Amino acid sequence: GENVEQHPSTLSVQEGDSAVIKCTYSDSASNYFPWYKQELGKGPQLIIDIRSNVGEKKDQRIAVTLNKTAKHFSLHITETQPEDSAVYFCAAILGGNEKLTFGTGTRLTIIP
Amino acid sequence: EPEVTQTPSHQVTQMGQEVILRCVPISNHLYFYWYRQILGQKVEFLVSFYNNEISEKSEIFDDQFSVERPDGSNFTLKIRSTKLEDSAMYFCASRGPSGSNQPQHFGDGTRLSIL
Repeated sequence: GENVEQHPSTLSVQEGDSAVIKCTYSDSASNYFPWYKQELGKGPQLIIDIRSNVGEKKDQRIAVTLNKTAKHFSLHITETQPEDSAVYFCAAILGGNEKLTFGTGTRLTIIP
Repeated sequence: EPEVTQTPSHQVTQMGQEVILRCVPISNHLYFYWYRQILGQKVEFLVSFYNNEISEKSEIFDDQFSVERPDGSNFTLKIRSTKLEDSAMYFCASRGPSGSNQPQHFGDGTRLSIL
């Protein structure tokens, strides 16, 4: 089955700076890669996703890049704000399957 | 914006008792899921459900677990005889009909505490 590794486990960034979170996946048949933000006491909230036919996607301050050859994908948050503080999870899904395999999460703290 | 809703938010149950967790998926969605998250760990897939059948399940989803869509709006997870290790957050998710590479939208979860 699929295995997703995520780094770093914790990340502290000065407000206004950029944050980057990286994930690698094991199965080259994976074709969909969502990123979720989880705030305390809440469920995972989808913030951006990318499909395997695309190398990069951007939505305002958030971007995701995908390198299929190396089997890794990254989340980039620019101009970070205090409300970006949360746990972020990457995930991957094998083509034709239903199971999302999650990474281990990154606790992002924005320092005012 | 439509959302997945889960009840109760917190359930406390004695070990060995049955528990039912309830979910109302987004109304036009056809695919439904249960995941769980043990405190401080990653989210783990339990089961997917489509067209009144389980389409995929994990090793965690053993004979003690079952899912049901009892009517047109609810989706339930039943644990028949709870164990201490069943204590976790349980998340329901749903997605629309357009393919497995479409977003799964999550509810805010039920915290299950087994005593």
